[in-house]
Amino acid sequence: SQTIHQWPATLVQPVGSPLSLECTVEGTSNPNLYWYRQAAGRGLQLLFYSVGIGQISSEVPQNLSASRPQDRQFILSSKKLLLSDSGFYLCAWGAVSLPYEQYFGPGTRLTVT
Amino acid sequence: AQSVAQPEDQVNVAEGNPLTVKCTYSVSGNPYLFWYVQYPNRGLQFLLKYITGDNLVKGSYGFEAEFNKSQTSFHLKKPSALVSDSALYFCAVREEGRRALTFGSGTRLQVQP
Repeated sequence: SQTIHQWPATLVQPVGSPLSLECTVEGTSNPNLYWYRQAAGRGLQLLFYSVGIGQISSEVPQNLSASRPQDRQFILSSKKLLLSDSGFYLCAWGAVSLPYEQYFGPGTRLTVT
Repeated sequence: AQSVAQPEDQVNVAEGNPLTVKCTYSVSGNPYLFWYVQYPNRGLQFLLKYITGDNLVKGSYGFEAEFNKSQTSFHLKKPSALVSDSALYFCAVREEGRRALTFGSGTRLQVQP
């Protein structure tokens, strides 16, 4: 069966510091991968998605970037964090053969101080 | 562009009573519709989907949803609510040909014992 991992689970970082969040998927090949941000425990905002290694689509221009160095690895980064980057970050995968539902990881709670 | 609306921020229901969480959508072409549930500080869990076929879709934990094309709605229902159903519920839509989901703002379901 497929599983998706995210780490760290929680992170507290000062303004201006760099960020690296990692997401890995097991049990599937060539998944579509997604990064979402959830602010104030409500709506989800799609940040990036990837359909393959090195292929990244940005949905919302902002202080973040994403990379996919391996088939099942998706990384969210920032060079300098802003207070507004605080939130709950969710990674998800979707199978290419079933391009319908997405499956979410446990999330990373980021607090920028 | 695709969009989805959840008109109720919160729904309160007594345990054992039926529950409905509302969702309306707007897409070009045929919609793919989804419901997810989120418990505190957790990732989203997939509940059910509508792709095509029967308008009444059954999903996990006794939930079902009814697709209504004329009203562009996809309401989530359960005949008898449990206290453990209390959580945040998200409706999502994928427009045919797009790889990403658009999520509603979420509805908090509170089931009172």
